[in-house]
Amino acid sequence: DAKTTQPTSMDCAEGRAANLPCNHSTISGNEYVYWYRQIHSQGPQYIIHGLKNNETNEMASLIITEDRKSSTLILPHATLRDTAVYYCIVRVAESTSYDKVIFGPGTSLSVIP
Amino acid sequence: ETGVTQSPTHLIKTRGQQVTLRCSSQSGHNTVSWYQQALGQGPQFIFQYYREEENGRGNFPPRFSGLQFPNYSSELNVNALELDDSALYLCASSLESYNEQFFGPGTRLTVL
Repeated sequence: DAKTTQPTSMDCAEGRAANLPCNHSTISGNEYVYWYRQIHSQGPQYIIHGLKNNETNEMASLIITEDRKSSTLILPHATLRDTAVYYCIVRVAESTSYDKVIFGPGTSLSVIP
Repeated sequence: ETGVTQSPTHLIKTRGQQVTLRCSSQSGHNTVSWYQQALGQGPQFIFQYYREEENGRGNFPPRFSGLQFPNYSSELNVNALELDDSALYLCASSLESYNEQFFGPGTRLTVL
């Protein structure tokens, strides 16, 4: 079973920030939070990941709460091309451990013109 | 840098047949993971290959098997196809088993 819960769907106005929440209340100390997205009929695309500090890259920002039980993916200026299913995943990411990637149903984000 | 590629794009088989799907990993990546994605659901982990050895397996029966070659490309074989095997099959490569995964476009398998 997936270790995360996400809203089933969300809408966002084009040009506005899209804030996608994820709960991972049972996260372990050595588990990272990963985000992927999947545009219709394509393979999932890696977006960003983090352990406990906030992270930012050219695609998005990841905000992780201090207790690490939840996080938010932020797309700062959503465009129509950001319409996709967004998956939040927690997994160990250490060379001494193997941990399979478990996808939940994700959040279907619709960016509205 | 070449991304992850998969072949074929689409495939139609009949129940009971066998199928082989292929995946070429991203340059420099030594790990390939395979996923099955049914319509409207998230991808489900099948197994992972790391440096030519199976490195972990999801809840799939033995008729799902795989191989990884010295160049780190990979095959997924499914025997005795069932109707429920109809899905999008995704492979993902990564540099080491624990790093972020980069997905191919998938192979759409239809079993009639």
